[in-house]
Amino acid sequence: EPEVTQTPSHQVTQMGQEVILRCVPISNHLYFYWYRQILGQKVEFLVSFYNNEISEKSEIFDDQFSVERPDGSNFTLKIRSTKLEDSAMYFCASSPRVANTEAFFGQGTRLTVV
Amino acid sequence: QKEVEQNSGPLSVPEGAIASLNCTYSDRGSQSFFWYRQYSGKSPELIMFIYSNGDKEDGRFTAQLNKASQYVSLLIRDSQPSDSATYLCAVAYTGGFKTIFGAGTRLFVKA
Repeated sequence: EPEVTQTPSHQVTQMGQEVILRCVPISNHLYFYWYRQILGQKVEFLVSFYNNEISEKSEIFDDQFSVERPDGSNFTLKIRSTKLEDSAMYFCASSPRVANTEAFFGQGTRLTVV
Repeated sequence: QKEVEQNSGPLSVPEGAIASLNCTYSDRGSQSFFWYRQYSGKSPELIMFIYSNGDKEDGRFTAQLNKASQYVSLLIRDSQPSDSATYLCAVAYTGGFKTIFGAGTRLFVKA
């Protein structure tokens, strides 16, 4: 069964460093998303991406964050100058058809900023 | 501010019983409704989605949607210990690209 894959599964970084989280969405999906979940809290929307551009972003997704689809398969989230409060699980997800349909999540990347 | 509200639980039911999970949402422009299951330390796993008023059944799971009351529920029949997890209600809005999640209800099925 097709699945969304994320790498790495766990990333430890020093405060102020840049990190890139990587995702390979399901191959025939058209919409891509990043969500995060701080330990013990809600899953929070960060950004959606369609047709090679951001379609919607939350107030969390400030200038510190960027997304890119550098080729036909990968989808990345870059966090510049990480802060302690960026420590969370980051989930990539993809949807097959139009927006607001079911999203399938990857296994997540646990980011720890020290 | 669009909100999705769930009782945090824990909801405890005996094995074989029906578990009923509830969710309310604030925005009448809501279009799509989802139930995800999340085991501790894992990613959300899609269980059901529903777009229209009424019931939708898939195996042991039934999703119920009442747009007039802004209410969506999930019934789990013949609950099993393996159903013990946090159940996330999620809502997507007309004209938007994001899904808003509730905080989740922890379900515990006792063997």
